[in-house]
Amino acid sequence: KAGVTQTPRYLIKTRGQQVTLSCSPISGHRSVSWYQQTPGQGLQFLFEYFSETQRNKGNFPGRFSGRQFSNSRSEMNVSTLELGDSALYLCASSPGTSGSDEQFFGPGTRLTVL
Amino acid sequence: KNEVEQSPQNLTAQEGEFITINCSYSVGISALHWLQQHPGGGIVSLFMLSSGKKKHGRLIATINIQEKHSSLHITASHPRDSAVYICAVRIRRGGADGLTFGKGTHLIIQP
Repeated sequence: KAGVTQTPRYLIKTRGQQVTLSCSPISGHRSVSWYQQTPGQGLQFLFEYFSETQRNKGNFPGRFSGRQFSNSRSEMNVSTLELGDSALYLCASSPGTSGSDEQFFGPGTRLTVL
Repeated sequence: KNEVEQSPQNLTAQEGEFITINCSYSVGISALHWLQQHPGGGIVSLFMLSSGKKKHGRLIATINIQEKHSSLHITASHPRDSAVYICAVRIRRGGADGLTFGKGTHLIIQP
Protein backbone atom coordinates (compact mmCIF):
# COMPACT_ATOMS: atom_id res chain seq x y z
CA LYS A 1 0.00 0.00 0.00
CA ALA A 2 1.24 3.49 -0.78
CA GLY A 3 1.87 5.67 2.25
CA VAL A 4 0.47 9.05 3.11
CA THR A 5 1.48 11.69 0.59
CA GLN A 6 1.59 15.43 1.04
CA THR A 7 2.00 18.14 -1.56
CA PRO A 8 3.82 20.34 -1.94
CA ARG A 9 6.82 19.32 0.14
CA TYR A 10 8.22 22.83 0.37
CA LEU A 11 6.54 26.20 0.04
CA ILE A 12 7.63 29.80 0.41
CA LYS A 13 5.01 32.50 0.85
CA THR A 14 4.93 36.12 2.00
CA ARG A 15 2.96 37.62 4.85
CA GLY A 16 -0.70 38.21 4.03
CA GLN A 17 -0.89 35.53 1.37
CA GLN A 18 -2.90 32.36 1.72
CA VAL A 19 -1.79 28.77 1.20
CA THR A 20 -3.44 25.41 0.57
CA LEU A 21 -1.76 22.14 1.50
CA SER A 22 -2.89 18.73 0.33
CA CYS A 23 -2.85 15.30 1.95
CA SER A 24 -3.72 11.94 0.39
CA PRO A 25 -4.28 9.24 3.00
CA ILE A 26 -3.50 5.55 2.79
CA SER A 27 -6.09 3.80 0.67
CA GLY A 28 -9.04 2.77 2.82
CA HIS A 29 -8.29 5.21 5.62
CA ARG A 30 -11.17 7.57 6.35
CA SER A 31 -9.62 9.81 8.99
CA VAL A 32 -7.10 12.54 8.31
CA SER A 33 -5.52 14.65 11.05
CA TRP A 34 -3.37 17.73 10.60
CA TYR A 35 -0.55 18.88 12.87
CA GLN A 36 1.77 21.88 13.03
CA GLN A 37 5.36 21.48 14.21
CA THR A 38 7.53 24.45 15.18
CA PRO A 39 10.81 24.59 17.12
CA GLY A 40 9.19 26.60 19.88
CA GLN A 41 5.85 24.85 20.35
CA GLY A 42 6.66 21.37 19.12
CA LEU A 43 3.85 19.33 17.60
CA GLN A 44 0.33 20.69 17.95
CA PHE A 45 -2.98 19.26 16.78
CA LEU A 46 -4.84 21.36 14.20
CA PHE A 47 -7.92 19.33 13.24
CA GLU A 48 -9.22 15.92 12.32
CA TYR A 49 -11.59 14.97 9.52
CA PHE A 50 -13.57 11.78 9.21
CA SER A 51 -15.93 11.00 6.35
CA GLU A 52 -15.86 14.61 5.13
CA THR A 53 -16.78 16.02 8.57
CA GLN A 54 -14.52 17.85 10.99
CA ARG A 55 -14.52 15.61 14.04
CA ASN A 56 -12.15 17.61 16.24
CA LYS A 57 -10.38 20.93 16.23
CA GLY A 58 -7.32 22.14 18.09
CA ASN A 59 -6.69 25.55 19.55
CA PHE A 60 -5.80 27.51 16.42
CA PRO A 61 -7.32 30.73 15.03
CA GLY A 62 -9.98 30.68 12.35
CA ARG A 63 -7.34 31.49 9.70
CA PHE A 64 -6.62 27.77 9.76
CA SER A 65 -9.28 25.70 8.04
CA GLY A 66 -9.57 22.40 6.31
CA ARG A 67 -11.84 20.09 4.43
CA GLN A 68 -12.05 16.49 3.37
CA PHE A 69 -13.31 15.15 0.08
CA SER A 70 -15.38 12.04 -0.61
CA ASN A 71 -12.21 10.13 -1.56
CA SER A 72 -10.79 10.98 1.91
CA ARG A 73 -8.17 13.34 0.50
CA SER A 74 -7.85 16.42 2.66
CA GLU A 75 -6.71 20.00 2.25
CA MET A 76 -5.85 22.59 4.81
CA ASN A 77 -5.85 26.29 4.17
CA VAL A 78 -4.15 29.11 6.01
CA SER A 79 -5.28 32.60 5.15
CA THR A 80 -3.55 35.90 5.86
CA LEU A 81 -0.23 34.25 6.58
CA GLU A 82 1.89 35.46 9.48
CA LEU A 83 5.60 34.93 10.09
CA GLY A 84 4.72 32.62 12.97
CA ASP A 85 2.94 30.25 10.59
CA SER A 86 6.32 29.08 9.32
CA ALA A 87 6.34 25.44 10.31
CA LEU A 88 6.32 21.85 9.22
CA TYR A 89 2.72 20.80 8.57
CA LEU A 90 2.10 17.09 8.94
CA CYS A 91 -0.92 15.07 8.13
CA ALA A 92 -1.66 11.59 9.40
CA SER A 93 -4.24 9.08 8.33
CA SER A 94 -5.93 6.25 10.19
CA PRO A 95 -8.80 3.87 9.55
CA GLY A 96 -10.86 6.21 11.72
CA THR A 97 -13.32 3.69 13.08
CA SER A 98 -11.97 4.15 16.61
CA GLY A 99 -10.88 7.36 18.29
CA SER A 100 -7.66 5.60 19.25
CA ASP A 101 -6.41 4.28 15.93
CA GLU A 102 -2.71 4.13 15.11
CA GLN A 103 -1.77 7.08 12.93
CA PHE A 104 0.38 6.97 9.80
CA PHE A 105 2.21 10.20 9.08
CA GLY A 106 3.07 11.82 5.79
CA PRO A 107 6.46 13.44 5.08
CA GLY A 108 5.15 16.92 5.79
CA THR A 109 5.02 20.24 4.00
CA ARG A 110 7.61 22.77 5.13
CA LEU A 111 6.09 26.24 4.89
CA THR A 112 8.26 29.32 5.13
CA VAL A 113 6.57 32.70 5.47
CA LEU A 114 8.73 35.72 4.59
CA LYS B 1 2.22 22.78 33.12
CA ASN B 2 2.26 20.59 30.02
CA GLU B 3 -0.18 17.71 30.05
CA VAL B 4 2.59 15.45 28.65
CA GLU B 5 6.10 15.55 30.08
CA GLN B 6 9.04 13.65 28.66
CA SER B 7 12.45 12.98 30.16
CA PRO B 8 15.23 13.32 29.45
CA GLN B 9 15.10 16.11 26.86
CA ASN B 10 18.49 15.08 25.47
CA LEU B 11 20.34 11.80 25.75
CA THR B 12 23.72 10.79 24.34
CA ALA B 13 24.82 7.19 24.76
CA GLN B 14 27.31 4.71 23.38
CA GLU B 15 26.38 2.01 20.91
CA GLY B 16 25.11 -1.06 22.69
CA GLU B 17 23.74 0.72 25.74
CA PHE B 18 20.22 0.13 27.09
CA ILE B 19 18.14 3.28 26.62
CA THR B 20 15.08 4.39 28.59
CA ILE B 21 12.89 7.36 27.73
CA ASN B 22 10.08 8.33 30.08
CA CYS B 23 6.70 9.95 29.54
CA SER B 24 4.30 11.17 32.22
CA TYR B 25 0.86 12.61 31.67
CA SER B 26 -1.58 14.32 33.98
CA VAL B 27 -5.00 13.48 32.55
CA GLY B 28 -7.09 10.46 31.67
CA ILE B 29 -6.20 9.04 28.30
CA SER B 30 -7.62 6.51 25.88
CA ALA B 31 -4.28 5.72 24.21
CA LEU B 32 -0.59 6.63 24.27
CA HIS B 33 1.64 6.71 21.20
CA TRP B 34 5.39 6.56 20.84
CA LEU B 35 6.68 8.22 17.67
CA GLN B 36 10.11 8.46 16.08
CA GLN B 37 11.22 11.46 14.03
CA HIS B 38 14.43 11.49 12.02
CA PRO B 39 16.17 14.63 10.71
CA GLY B 40 14.19 15.83 7.72
CA GLY B 41 10.91 15.54 9.56
CA GLY B 42 9.37 12.17 8.74
CA ILE B 43 7.48 10.65 11.67
CA VAL B 44 7.05 6.94 12.20
CA SER B 45 4.59 5.48 14.66
CA LEU B 46 6.42 2.98 16.87
CA PHE B 47 3.75 1.89 19.33
CA MET B 48 0.21 2.60 20.38
CA LEU B 49 -0.62 1.48 23.92
CA SER B 50 -3.65 1.53 26.15
CA SER B 51 -2.33 -0.96 28.71
CA GLY B 52 0.55 -3.31 29.47
CA LYS B 53 3.59 -3.77 27.31
CA LYS B 54 4.48 -4.12 23.63
CA LYS B 55 7.68 -5.26 21.96
CA HIS B 56 8.91 -4.81 18.41
CA GLY B 57 12.44 -5.92 17.65
CA ARG B 58 14.78 -4.06 20.00
CA LEU B 59 12.08 -1.66 21.13
CA ILE B 60 9.86 -2.17 24.17
CA ALA B 61 7.10 0.14 25.37
CA THR B 62 5.29 -0.09 28.69
CA ILE B 63 2.47 1.86 30.23
CA ASN B 64 1.18 2.10 33.81
CA ILE B 65 -2.29 3.59 33.66
CA GLN B 66 -2.62 4.04 37.44
CA GLU B 67 0.66 5.95 37.65
CA LYS B 68 0.05 7.80 34.35
CA HIS B 69 3.48 6.86 33.12
CA SER B 70 4.99 5.17 30.08
CA SER B 71 8.53 4.16 29.15
CA LEU B 72 10.20 3.41 25.85
CA HIS B 73 13.23 1.13 26.02
CA ILE B 74 15.80 0.45 23.33
CA THR B 75 18.01 -2.59 23.82
CA ALA B 76 21.44 -2.93 22.16
CA SER B 77 21.22 0.66 20.86
CA HIS B 78 22.71 1.46 17.45
CA PRO B 79 23.66 4.75 15.77
CA ARG B 80 20.67 4.37 13.44
CA ASP B 81 18.44 4.72 16.53
CA SER B 82 19.54 8.38 16.72
CA ALA B 83 16.35 10.38 16.35
CA VAL B 84 13.79 12.37 18.29
CA TYR B 85 11.36 10.18 20.22
CA ILE B 86 7.99 11.74 20.94
CA CYS B 87 5.30 10.63 23.35
CA ALA B 88 1.73 11.57 22.45
CA VAL B 89 -1.56 10.91 24.21
CA ARG B 90 -5.18 10.93 23.17
CA ILE B 91 -6.91 12.61 26.08
CA ARG B 92 -10.25 11.20 27.15
CA ARG B 93 -12.43 14.32 27.05
CA GLY B 94 -15.62 12.62 26.03
CA GLY B 95 -14.89 12.64 22.34
CA ALA B 96 -12.29 11.63 19.83
CA ASP B 97 -9.79 14.42 20.42
CA GLY B 98 -6.53 14.89 18.61
CA LEU B 99 -3.17 13.89 20.01
CA THR B 100 -1.36 15.97 22.64
CA PHE B 101 2.42 15.71 22.32
CA GLY B 102 5.42 15.81 24.60
CA LYS B 103 8.38 17.98 23.63
CA GLY B 104 10.41 14.99 22.52
CA THR B 105 13.68 13.35 23.55
CA HIS B 106 16.69 13.94 21.31
CA LEU B 107 18.66 10.69 21.31
CA ILE B 108 22.18 10.39 19.91
CA ILE B 109 23.88 7.00 19.83
CA GLN B 110 27.62 7.27 19.28
CA PRO B 111 29.52 4.43 17.61
